[in-house]
Amino acid sequence: RKEVEQDPGPFNVPEGATVAFNCTYSNSASQSFFWYRQDCRKEPKLLMSVYSSGNEDGRFTAQLNRASQYISLLIRDSKLSDSATYLCVVNDRGGADGLTFGKGTHLIIQP
Amino acid sequence: GAVVSQHPSRVICKSGTSVKIECRSLDFQATTMFWYRQFPKQSLMLMATSNEGSKATYEQGVEKDKFLINHASLTLSTLTVTSAHPEDSSFYICSAQAGTSGGSSYEQYFGPGTRLTVT
Repeated sequence: RKEVEQDPGPFNVPEGATVAFNCTYSNSASQSFFWYRQDCRKEPKLLMSVYSSGNEDGRFTAQLNRASQYISLLIRDSKLSDSATYLCVVNDRGGADGLTFGKGTHLIIQP
Repeated sequence: GAVVSQHPSRVICKSGTSVKIECRSLDFQATTMFWYRQFPKQSLMLMATSNEGSKATYEQGVEKDKFLINHASLTLSTLTVTSAHPEDSSFYICSAQAGTSGGSSYEQYFGPGTRLTVT
């Protein structure tokens, strides 16, 4: 069974702090990796894809470790608007399959 | 770009009735659409993969005769929950894939979801 595991949190973090989430996946043949953000009672929205070399998008940095089957997301200078659930997502066949979602990590940024 | 709509956004129905949910890609053609279900405090779970012009592929444990999927065009897929029961109450979300030939990473764009309550 394909699984994606995340710490559900919640992570309570003061505004301006740096926070990191981790995720592990069980299928070593997985090909594509993503972080999605889901607000309460809304659909998930793509935050960023995760590449083997690591990638950055503004305050967000994603890393992939294929050997350890581990994905991370770092958020710097956190904003109140970053409060959400962050979903680690894996695609096993590079696009031909549906996505496998983790349960998400709940982040609360406190003023 | 890459907007996916779902209709209705919320529906309440009586046990035993059927409910149809529509998923449309508004500004792109989607050869593949996916249907997910999310129960409270749970992750999204893939129910089925829908390819235009062919039968849907259902995930293990999802009854194909209960969850009827039709992908009649490159911009529309429908999910019909037949003979709904209270345990079918959930958040149903579709996604449409906007891939490129030979690409290695196909993005999926999600609809806003349909919240189904069966009484």
